[in-house]
Amino acid sequence: GQQVMQIPQYQHVQEGEDFTTYCNSSTTLSNIQWYKQRPGGHPVFLIQLVKSGEVKKQKRLTFQFGEAKKNSSLHITATQTTDVGTYFCAGDNNDMRFGAGTRLTVKP
Amino acid sequence: DGGITQSPKYLFRKEGQNVTLSCEQNLNHDAMYWYRQDPGQGLRLIYYSQIVNDFQKGDIAEGYSVSREKKESFPLTVTSAQKNPTAFYLCATSTSGRGYTQYFGPGTRLTVL
Repeated sequence: GQQVMQIPQYQHVQEGEDFTTYCNSSTTLSNIQWYKQRPGGHPVFLIQLVKSGEVKKQKRLTFQFGEAKKNSSLHITATQTTDVGTYFCAGDNNDMRFGAGTRLTVKP
Repeated sequence: DGGITQSPKYLFRKEGQNVTLSCEQNLNHDAMYWYRQDPGQGLRLIYYSQIVNDFQKGDIAEGYSVSREKKESFPLTVTSAQKNPTAFYLCATSTSGRGYTQYFGPGTRLTVL
């Protein structure tokens, strides 16, 4: 069945450094979604990508969907302490699957 | 997410007891989901329901049961058959099917002693 792999599992950065998490699917996806979960909280929807090669930005966050619609990335420029949390991708192909998440910690 | 209520936030039970976790929503969403979250394993789907009186098993349904008698409510029962019930349980909703944006409740942390 469909699997969604996400790397890295953990990332620790100094405040101001960039951060990227990658998501790869074993099958072609109809869309991919990204969620953020703050420590002690619940996942909150960030964005959905649908088109091949799509790139969307939200302030310091850049989301990309691969040309083959099998991979995606989330890049944060100049991290801040407010970016701390776990970032999940969720890939849909009539059967939505969440990746294991990347836990980001930021040292001030 | 403000329209999804899960209570209580923390729940303790003795081993061998069934326990029911509540999930209520006022978003008028058709679909509801239950996920289990363990450290380092992301979100695993237990059950989901796309309409009232209908639900489907997810990837880890064994030891769990659900009902969907009302659109607003999707309670999850963790039975004594679930071998490792201690986890963080998240309820979610979406307007329609599984490919739509999911809105999560605050979660219930269940500890079985």
